[in-house]
Amino acid sequence: KAGVTQTPRYLIKTRGQQVTLSCSPISGHRSVSWYQQTPGQGLQFLFEYFSETQRNKGNFPGRFSGRQFSNSRSEMNVSTLELGDSALYLCASSLGDREASPLHFGNGTRLTVT
Amino acid sequence: GEDVEQSLFLSVREGDSSVINCTYTDSSSTYLYWYKQEPGAGLQLLTYIFSNMDMKQDQRLTVLLNKKDKHLSLRIADTQTGDSAIYFCAESGGSSNTGKLIFGQGTTLQVKP
Repeated sequence: KAGVTQTPRYLIKTRGQQVTLSCSPISGHRSVSWYQQTPGQGLQFLFEYFSETQRNKGNFPGRFSGRQFSNSRSEMNVSTLELGDSALYLCASSLGDREASPLHFGNGTRLTVT
Repeated sequence: GEDVEQSLFLSVREGDSSVINCTYTDSSSTYLYWYKQEPGAGLQLLTYIFSNMDMKQDQRLTVLLNKKDKHLSLRIADTQTGDSAIYFCAESGGSSNTGKLIFGQGTTLQVKP
């Protein structure tokens, strides 16, 4: 079974631009979660989607948004990029229909904002 | 609030056992997880334990849970150089937090040959 796939692996953007990251979950997984990883703040939860609906949200500004499609693939968008948005963005998928459904992570997208 | 604490660094010799410790605060957490991150990679799920269990063993990995003290440990037997990585402890919180894990800062394991 293929794992969680994130594209692209690397991105370089300029402050003020916007960016879209993509995540394809493991086949059969209906929940997709997004995390931001930085050296200073560690791993922080952004949001989770299940059956095309945002089910849970972390404490990030509205510039961070996401969506999920009917095939469970998800995209995350960051608008008006700031230097502090430079991070590794990780996507995770799970069955999502019960709590005993561990998260499986992709290799991430490394975003650099200059 | 929710918080997970880990020591930042552990160095062991190849062949020795490694023990990585973690404390958490959310007593409603149903599941506790251990993830491994190698340089340039995402998080690899190593194992997880249900909160009503005391111990779980999976090949070289042993997880011990002391729910009273909210203390979790990961023991790696016969540690190999390939085990060098960052290890993250995470708690799941209650069922309302599906998809949201609270992670510790990560413990860097250095294995010396």
